[in-house]
Amino acid sequence: AQKITQTQPGMFVQEKEAVTLDCTYDTSDQSYGLFWYKQPSSGEMIFLIYQGSYDEQNATEGRYSLNFQKARKSANLVISASQLGDSAMYFCAMREGTEGNEKLTFGTGTRLTIIP
Amino acid sequence: DAGVIQSPRHEVTEMGQEVTLRCKPISGHDYLFWYRQTMMRGLELLIYFNNNVPIDDSGMPEDRFSAKMPNASFSTLKIQPSEPRDSAVYFCASSLVILGNEQFFGPGTRLTVL
Repeated sequence: AQKITQTQPGMFVQEKEAVTLDCTYDTSDQSYGLFWYKQPSSGEMIFLIYQGSYDEQNATEGRYSLNFQKARKSANLVISASQLGDSAMYFCAMREGTEGNEKLTFGTGTRLTIIP
Repeated sequence: DAGVIQSPRHEVTEMGQEVTLRCKPISGHDYLFWYRQTMMRGLELLIYFNNNVPIDDSGMPEDRFSAKMPNASFSTLKIQPSEPRDSAVYFCASSLVILGNEQFFGPGTRLTVL
């Protein structure tokens, strides 16, 4: 079974609209972490946001928020007021395991294109 | 801070040759990660180190791949002998702690094996 599933290979969104990128995960651990990274066409990986499994509040970082639904095992990224510069690949990732024996897994990514 | 530094940025080599990729993590970061990214397989974690010690190398594809971290400021990923299917972008990343902390990625090395 896939540890991280991103079901949207590509999305097209009008500029200034909100965007939701889907991510579901599979783990039996009680303690884990979920990350979102952005990869623009230039290739670098840029950290966006992190959510710990015990965090009660949804994580937010500027225009980015993480819609964490633990029971559904989903960790969707929400980008508010999208901008042309948001066009990129977006990867969801999960850290699981105990200290010293962690595992990190990335999803296959979603290519987001913002239309002017 | 200069961020994670990788060299070379691009490498073109012929099948059978040895390839060495280099990484300098951010000073003070305890964890170092090597990733490989391809269109077919996405982003894969190859190996990671904690305080210079390899913790998990289960992602290393085969014995042709080896990684070392002789000190806190330097790591290498070596492929010997290289094959065309090793062509990919190889990222190095570092982080302060692994639990709940972001990883800072280097710019990547684009490897092409002919």
